[in-house]
Amino acid sequence: EDKVVQSPLSLVVHEGDTVTLNCSYEVTNFRSLLWYKQEKKAPTFLFMLTSSGIEKKSGRLSSILDKKELFSILNITATQTGDSAVYLCAVVPSGTYKYIFGTGTRLKVLA
Amino acid sequence: NAGVTQTPKFQVLKTGQSMTLQCAQDMNHNSMYWYRQDPGMGLRLIYYSASEGTTDKGEVPNGYNVSRLNKREFSLRLESAAPSQTSVYFCASRDSQIGYEQYFGPGTRLTVT
Repeated sequence: EDKVVQSPLSLVVHEGDTVTLNCSYEVTNFRSLLWYKQEKKAPTFLFMLTSSGIEKKSGRLSSILDKKELFSILNITATQTGDSAVYLCAVVPSGTYKYIFGTGTRLKVLA
Repeated sequence: NAGVTQTPKFQVLKTGQSMTLQCAQDMNHNSMYWYRQDPGMGLRLIYYSASEGTTDKGEVPNGYNVSRLNKREFSLRLESAAPSQTSVYFCASRDSQIGYEQYFGPGTRLTVT
């Protein structure tokens, strides 16, 4: 059965800290992996990764995919209180429209 | 450009009642999705529609039906609500010819008593 596992489940840090969120997957015929940020309402898209070893960056956020070891990490440097959210990882198998989501990591950044 | 809209935002039903959750997108996307989100469970796919005129079951379709009314609209119907269907429901859409990024609606919080 295809599955996506995120760790840790929750994390509390102070402003300025760096955090690493993990997403591992067991999916038949992997096609792509996506990261979303969910604050109070709808998830918003952060990154999509399809190739191994290529880092995607957007400001203080970056993500990398390891297709051999079947995981991805999301790094957030110099965290701010506005980074507090649930971060979701989703994997899309090839040849399907279905997205398989992990349970998410809840990040709380304290001032 | 409103993106993905959902109605209602909140709903309380009694067990056995029926209702339809509405979703519309104005981005001319061909694919649309319905998810439910429960505490500690992440997002689980209920139904999806790859294109106008087609619908397929996702991970948790039991107790639900869908209609892809046209390219813009994708509705989710609960024929006989049960307490286990208490959840937050999200609709999403994407342009499958461009990529895999999904755009989500604001969600409907449904409570079944």
